[in-house]
Amino acid sequence: SQELEQSPQSLIVQEGKNLTINCTSSKTLYGLYWYKQKYGEGLIFLMMLQKGGEEKSHEKITAKLDEKKQQSSLHITASQPSHAGIYLCGADIGGSNYKLTFGKGTLLTVNP
Amino acid sequence: KAGVTQTPRYLIKTRGQQVTLSCSPISGHRSVSWYQQTPGQGLQFLFEYFSETQRNKGNFPGRFSGRQFSNSRSEMNVSTLELGDSALYLCASRRIPGENTEAFFGQGTRLTVV
Repeated sequence: SQELEQSPQSLIVQEGKNLTINCTSSKTLYGLYWYKQKYGEGLIFLMMLQKGGEEKSHEKITAKLDEKKQQSSLHITASQPSHAGIYLCGADIGGSNYKLTFGKGTLLTVNP
Repeated sequence: KAGVTQTPRYLIKTRGQQVTLSCSPISGHRSVSWYQQTPGQGLQFLFEYFSETQRNKGNFPGRFSGRQFSNSRSEMNVSTLELGDSALYLCASRRIPGENTEAFFGQGTRLTVV
């Protein structure tokens, strides 16, 4: 089974709408990372969350790591076509320093 | 500061051949990890190197190997290529391995096996 579950798998929204992507682990997350990827390209680093309850924002994107450190959410406010792409969460799980585990990603489409 | 550089960007190989991919990490980063990305499996961890030593390995056959040089540059090699090896291969660099250190990715190498 997947160690990191992302939901939804895909999302289509109208420009201007808000949306949320979730990332859930059955184990404690030691560091949670959010990335964005355009099809066929590399991953662009968005944010890193370290502590339970931590929340970070960059432009219109906000990410939060819950208190129990087993779930994170990524929220986009007033979406734009430039937000379209694949969003991936990655995490250090179980204290393994040398391996980042990733969810399968959420494909976001923003219609103008 | 230059980002993570992967070469080549695109590669077409024939079944049975071998291939070597290269990754130059961000200056000052000493940890390099490799991932295979396919539509069905998503991002799968291959291995990670730090200080020229492989510290962790994913669940891939022995045909997949890698190494890291003293300047932190890394190469991965796939021998006896199979059609199923067609994928986007990504490398990531971190300053040091460990929790709460940001990982930055290269643009990837798109390998097509025919």
